Amino acid sequence: KNEVEQSPQNLTAQEGEFITINCSYSVGISALHWLQQHPGGGIVSLFMLSSGKKKHGRLIATINIQEKHSSLHITASHPRDSAVYICAVWASGSRLTFGEGTQLTVNP
Amino acid sequence: DAGITQSPRYKITETGRQVTLMCHQTWSHSYMFWYRQDLGHGLRLIYYSAAADITDKGEVPDGYVVSRSKTENFPLTLESATRSQTSVYFCASSDRAAGELFFGEGSRLTVL
Repeated sequence: KNEVEQSPQNLTAQEGEFITINCSYSVGISALHWLQQHPGGGIVSLFMLSSGKKKHGRLIATINIQEKHSSLHITASHPRDSAVYICAVWASGSRLTFGEGTQLTVNP
Repeated sequence: DAGITQSPRYKITETGRQVTLMCHQTWSHSYMFWYRQDLGHGLRLIYYSAAADITDKGEVPDGYVVSRSKTENFPLTLESATRSQTSVYFCASSDRAAGELFFGEGSRLTVL
C-alpha cells in the first residue's frame, strides 16, 4: 500500500462545477504539498500545508492532521484547470513522498 | 535568470552511454532533489542533497550517481544508461527540510 493515496485517479467535470480531490496518507508528516502539472509541462507547487486551510483564488486546500487527510477544492472550474494534481508529503527526514496524481479534465 | 533550470531538456542516447543531466538553481537553496516520473509510478526520488558535499540515496538510486560540489549545482549522471532509465527527470530545490518546493522544467531522456 502506498504511503500516499489519492482519489479519484481520473476526474472529468463540466466547466463551472465544484471539484474535490482527496489525499490520504499513512505516516506522520511535517507538511503536505499540492502540486499541479499541465500536459507536457513542469510542476508547480500550489499549496504547502501543515494545518488548517489555505485559499488562493478559486483553489482551496484543507488538511486534517488527526485523520491524515487533505482535500483540494476547485470552485467554478475552468478548462484551463485541466491538469494532473499531485499530493506530496514531507514525512521522515528530508524525504518527500508523492501520490500518483489525479488527472482532471474540465470540459467547456 | 533567477530560478531553477535543467539541461538538456531533451536527450536521446544509446544503451551503455554515460549521460549527465544538469540542474542549476540561483536561490542558494540548501536542499536539492532528483526525481524521475514514469507512468504508473508517479514521481520517485532518486537522490537528494541537504547541502554542498552532502548527498543521500532516495527510493530508486541504482544506476545513478550525483555530486554537489557547489550549492547551486546538482548534476545527475547515468554511468551506463539502460532502457529502463528512459523517463522524465525533474530536479527540485527547497530552502529547508519540509519547505516550499520549486521544480525545474524537466528533462526527457530516451535510451535506445
